[in-house]
Amino acid sequence: AQSVTQPDARVTVSEGASLQLRCKYSSSVTPYLFWYVQYPRQGLQLLLKYYSGDPVVQGVNGFEAEFSKSNSSFHLRKASVHWSDSAVYFCAVSIFSGSWQLIFGSGTQLTVMP
Amino acid sequence: EAAVTQSPRNKVAVTGGKVTLSCNQTNNHNNMYWYRQDTGHGLRLIHYSYGAGSTEKGDIPDGYKASRPSQENFSLILELATPSQTSVYFCASGDGGPAETLYFGSGTRLTVL
Repeated sequence: AQSVTQPDARVTVSEGASLQLRCKYSSSVTPYLFWYVQYPRQGLQLLLKYYSGDPVVQGVNGFEAEFSKSNSSFHLRKASVHWSDSAVYFCAVSIFSGSWQLIFGSGTQLTVMP
Repeated sequence: EAAVTQSPRNKVAVTGGKVTLSCNQTNNHNNMYWYRQDTGHGLRLIHYSYGAGSTEKGDIPDGYKASRPSQENFSLILELATPSQTSVYFCASGDGGPAETLYFGSGTRLTVL
């Protein structure tokens, strides 16, 4: 079965520090990979997505993610976080199973301390 | 600006009652989705639609019906609401294909007493 695992339910970092949020997927083929962000009392918004090419993909607001086929991972990174980055981050994979299905991880709550 | 609008924003219902959650999109997207969000589960797909008149079951359709009367509107219906359906519900529209980007509404918080 296809799945997405975000092992860290909560991450706390200080403002200005670097950030990595982890995501691992289970799939027999390379899926389409996504990171979405949910700010308080809002719906999800796309940060970035990847299917092929350069394994490092750039997103909005200084976020980037790196795909690793050998590790089945798609970790999200940011060099220097701001308090406004506090949100819930979801990793997701799109896999074909009769039709294209988007499967979300359980999310990581990021808190940026001032 | 393209948008997905959900109503109501908050809803309190009684067990056994009928609840309708509404969603409107101005993106002109064929695909629309209903998810529920519960702590520890991320988002789980309830129903989806590929266009007006079509509805498909997602991963957790039991206890829910969906209706897509037009390109713009997609409703989620709970005929007999139960406390286990207390959750936050999100509607989304999508631009299609395997690399589809979903555009989400702000959610409806449903409490079933």
